[in-house]
Amino acid sequence: AQTVTQSQPEMSVQEAETVTLSCTYDTSESDYYLFWYKQPPSRQMILVIRQEAYKQQNATENRFSVNFQKAAKSFSLKISDSQLGDAAMYFCAYRTKQTGANNLFFGTGTRLTVIP
Amino acid sequence: NAGVTQTPKFQVLKTGQSMTLQCAQDMNHNSMYWYRQDPGMGLRLIYYSASEGTTDKGEVPNGYNVSRLNKREFSLRLESAAPSQTSVYFCASSETWGRQYGYTFGSGTRLTVV
Repeated sequence: AQTVTQSQPEMSVQEAETVTLSCTYDTSESDYYLFWYKQPPSRQMILVIRQEAYKQQNATENRFSVNFQKAAKSFSLKISDSQLGDAAMYFCAYRTKQTGANNLFFGTGTRLTVIP
Repeated sequence: NAGVTQTPKFQVLKTGQSMTLQCAQDMNHNSMYWYRQDPGMGLRLIYYSASEGTTDKGEVPNGYNVSRLNKREFSLRLESAAPSQTSVYFCASSETWGRQYGYTFGSGTRLTVV
């Protein structure tokens, strides 16, 4: 099974500054999907950004961008101009493209604190 | 609002009691999932249903059963609750062909077994 590792249990950032959350994964596949989910205190899991492995261009969604290093199996999330509302747990996740396979593999999460 | 609806949001059970967690989605998704979230362990798949009429075990199925009642509804049953099943449970759905869009999650059920 694929494994997803988030080595930073907690991170903090000053409001308006930039922070990068790390994620590495292990797979033997060449094509797959990667995701970052945000979980605020409300518990709702919110999709932040996604990346297809065959696309070399890094995905960007407003203040959120990724640094996808396929050879290194690394998928970090950069949050620019951090806002108080960005405070949450962030989960990295992997999904295969294989037909019939349905699991979304999650990392253990990084708790982000935003300091006013 | 379109999305995934879970009930109840909170539940306390005594060891040995049974209960069913309900989940419904109104996005016409084919696939549905049950996950549990434990501190320091991320989310782990309990069961999933790739399409109406099918269910399969995930990573941690022991102690649970599921029913895909129709395309909209996917329930999770604990027949004899144990303290180890204290967790937050999430239901999710996805379009099978649109796997690149990830999953849509419900707001979770916090279950405590005493």
